[in-house]
Amino acid sequence: EPEVTQTPSHQVTQMGQEVILRCVPISNHLYFYWYRQILGQKVEFLVSFYNNEISEKSEIFDDQFSVERPDGSNFTLKIRSTKLEDSAMYFCASSEPRDRGPPLHFGNGTRLTVT
Amino acid sequence: RKEVEQDPGPFNVPEGATVAFNCTYSNSASQSFFWYRQDCRKEPKLLMSVYSSGNEDGRFTAQLNRASQYISLLIRDSKLSDSATYLCVVMAGNTPLVFGKGTRLSVIA
Repeated sequence: EPEVTQTPSHQVTQMGQEVILRCVPISNHLYFYWYRQILGQKVEFLVSFYNNEISEKSEIFDDQFSVERPDGSNFTLKIRSTKLEDSAMYFCASSEPRDRGPPLHFGNGTRLTVT
Repeated sequence: RKEVEQDPGPFNVPEGATVAFNCTYSNSASQSFFWYRQDCRKEPKLLMSVYSSGNEDGRFTAQLNRASQYISLLIRDSKLSDSATYLCVVMAGNTPLVFGKGTRLSVIA
């Protein structure tokens, strides 16, 4: 079964550094998403992306965040200057053309630790 | 604030037990409802969609009450492998999924 893959599985960075989280969505999917989950908290929507542009973003997704689909297969989330409170699990997801909602296929996540 | 509320648990039940989880949502415009399962430090995985008439998938039964804005999940004959966190997820139109915080289930031998 096709999968969404994310790299790295764990990223440790110092406060103020830039990080790029990478995702390879399922190949025929057209809608892409980033969610995050702070330890012990709920899964929160960050941003959705379609047709090479952001279609929706949450209030969490401020100017420190950006997304890109640089080469038609990768989908990246960049945090420009990380803060301690950015420590979380970041999940990428994608979905098929007909359905912007589920079934969303989630990647196995990148655990970001900001020290 | 539009949210999805769940009893956090944990629910500790013996193998073979029947257990029910409840969820309420505040956005009356919500149209699509789902239960996801999340194992510790893993990604959420779709367990089942919830339809207006209620639906069943093996040992799992989901119910929706739109008037009360209430969703339930019933697990019959619990297995050790059912131990996980169960996430209630709601969507209004084409807006992003809104997740509840989850209910933790531990099935004990």
